[in-house]
Amino acid sequence: DTGVSQNPRHKITKRGQNVTFRCDPISEHNRLYWYRQTLGQGPEFLTYFQNEAQLEKSRLLSDRFSAERPKGSFSTLEIQRTEQGDSAMYLCASSLTGGWYEQYFGPGTRLTVT
Amino acid sequence: GQQLNQSPQSMFIQEGEDVSMNCTSSSIFNTWLWYKQDPGEGPVLLIALYKAGELTSNGRLTAQFGITRKDSFLNISASIPSDVGIYFCAGQLGGSQGNLIFGKGTKLSVKP
Repeated sequence: DTGVSQNPRHKITKRGQNVTFRCDPISEHNRLYWYRQTLGQGPEFLTYFQNEAQLEKSRLLSDRFSAERPKGSFSTLEIQRTEQGDSAMYLCASSLTGGWYEQYFGPGTRLTVT
Repeated sequence: GQQLNQSPQSMFIQEGEDVSMNCTSSSIFNTWLWYKQDPGEGPVLLIALYKAGELTSNGRLTAQFGITRKDSFLNISASIPSDVGIYFCAGQLGGSQGNLIFGKGTKLSVKP
């Protein structure tokens, strides 16, 4: 079990550019979550997948954000036309289903929009 | 949105001291989780609680799920330098589909 991995770990981009992050969950976990964390705050939920189905999206997930999990394994989070307010740590977590909500987080991708 | 009130916001510890922190909410939660986060890293799960009144230990850490289901407590006994970091409580609301609501964290630092 190698844990949740995320790539890249750091991304610096200019305002208006598109960025894409990748998350590889723990292999037997069928639920995958995306969170965003800004400085001094706890993580905030963005969206989650059960297998390949995106089941819930937060109001924080604007139209510029899109997430996919095409084969129910890894997931990507894309931000289009980045804004300075998008600068944050983007965290991915995974869990099993069946009533157990122990979510295991990856190391995160730190996005800086200049 | 839903809020978790976590306190204290920060505290200083001296090696060997016991530490207590708590989380409260106006809403009822089905699950409480406690995480620790080091700078530049993702949160690491410490303890998960699933039943009101449940008391669970993980080494020197002990956490409790409040009877009212609106609060939770984390205690660290005999603190050591590697306990330094930010501790987050997180809860899952009844009827939600698993997304967690986090507190703002308790920052644990070592006394100079």
